[in-house]
Amino acid sequence: DAGITQSPRYKITETGRQVTLMCHQTWSHSYMFWYRQDLGHGLRLIYYSAAADITDKGEVPDGYVVSRSKTENFPLTLESATRSQTSVYFCASEPGGGQPQHFGDGTRLSIL
Amino acid sequence: QKEVEQNSGPLSVPEGAIASLNCTYSDQGSQSFFWYRQYSGKSPELIMFIYSNGDKEDGRFTAQLNKASQYVSLLIRDSQPSDSATYLCALRSGGSYIPTFGRGTSLIVHP
Repeated sequence: DAGITQSPRYKITETGRQVTLMCHQTWSHSYMFWYRQDLGHGLRLIYYSAAADITDKGEVPDGYVVSRSKTENFPLTLESATRSQTSVYFCASEPGGGQPQHFGDGTRLSIL
Repeated sequence: QKEVEQNSGPLSVPEGAIASLNCTYSDQGSQSFFWYRQYSGKSPELIMFIYSNGDKEDGRFTAQLNKASQYVSLLIRDSQPSDSATYLCALRSGGSYIPTFGRGTSLIVHP
């Protein structure tokens, strides 16, 4: 089905572990984004990408790594997870030209 | 720094009433404006977008933009309990593809 999908939907891991959140879109949108959403903070941009092999830091990039080798995929990696990274993570994409973003269903990540 | 301000609420309205959600912003260069609805535990879902001053209607929803006064509003007519959600305002400046989101207004529609 066309759209934007995130996996896994739920993840529990331990501090210090590496974890990768996947994001895949079938629209061939140029732009992709990773947000985290926490109570009291709203949506905060972690990283974004304008095209394959072009990524840039957002508001809260520390502790995260991204890559975009293909237009349709934009994985987010927590290299050494910390409890403060417990959050709901949303991936979004847009075609550009002022068009709106569309969000995936999110990944709820708990770090113990 | 670009700011998008929304009253966190909750805004409580009776079923059938008009719900009015407001958003003010600081960046005079803002050109694209978006409203998202987010149910509890779900992802943001696009409701409307508006680029020009004035009103834009889509079913029970009307977006109103006033660039001179730097505010954008969302009106929901004939509110239903299923409209109960958090509504996020977002905007984008000209030349930028990165939106700025407000923290959202919680709407409760009671029967």
